[in-house]
Amino acid sequence: DVQLVESGGGLVQPGGSRKLSCAASGFTFSSFGMHWVRQAPEKGLEWVAYISSGSSTIYYADTVKGRFTISRDNPKNTLFLQMTSLRSEDTAMYYCASGNFDYWGQGTTLTVSS
Amino acid sequence: DIVLTQSPATLSVTPGDSVSLSCRASQSISNNLHWYQQKSHESPRLLIKYASQSISGIPSRFSGSGSGTDFTLSINSVETEDFGMYFCQQSNSWPHTFGAGTKLELK
Repeated sequence: DVQLVESGGGLVQPGGSRKLSCAASGFTFSSFGMHWVRQAPEKGLEWVAYISSGSSTIYYADTVKGRFTISRDNPKNTLFLQMTSLRSEDTAMYYCASGNFDYWGQGTTLTVSS
Repeated sequence: DIVLTQSPATLSVTPGDSVSLSCRASQSISNNLHWYQQKSHESPRLLIKYASQSISGIPSRFSGSGSGTDFTLSINSVETEDFGMYFCQQSNSWPHTFGAGTKLELK
């Protein structure tokens, strides 16, 4: 079965940094692009970033461009999101999702607060 | 960015009703429109891809239609397990924006 398991969330102070991970299993991770999507409390879904299978193509939402970096380690079947200069409005559940959004992880919660 | 407008914001229905949820794009997106269901405290689940393509494991009462700017998700005879939020998303251009969602609730 396909599994995507996010980790790395927690409480971070404004201006701080955090790195999220998404461990993939049950499919050929290296063959698929991957996304990060977030959802602020009681809000809708916001697409955050995309990385192609070989990392050659990367896109970001304007709200995170210049602050967040998406990357992947194909041999380790892991997707990452490095977040810097965090703001209160980055508080959300962060999901990783497969390239066609067929599969989603359970999410990891990031809270940015002093 | 492409803006997706979903309506209504809330739909109150009785089990057994058939319903239609709307998603309108701010510009043509061909058939690059996908529908998701999200229940409380769960991850989103893909229901329909590319406007009308069914997904393995999704009940046949869910169907999608539309192209260009106007899209519809139809649920034929709502069941109690269908209550929750429904989101549309476009993959025609970056960023892959989502609509604000329609809440399907019990009347």
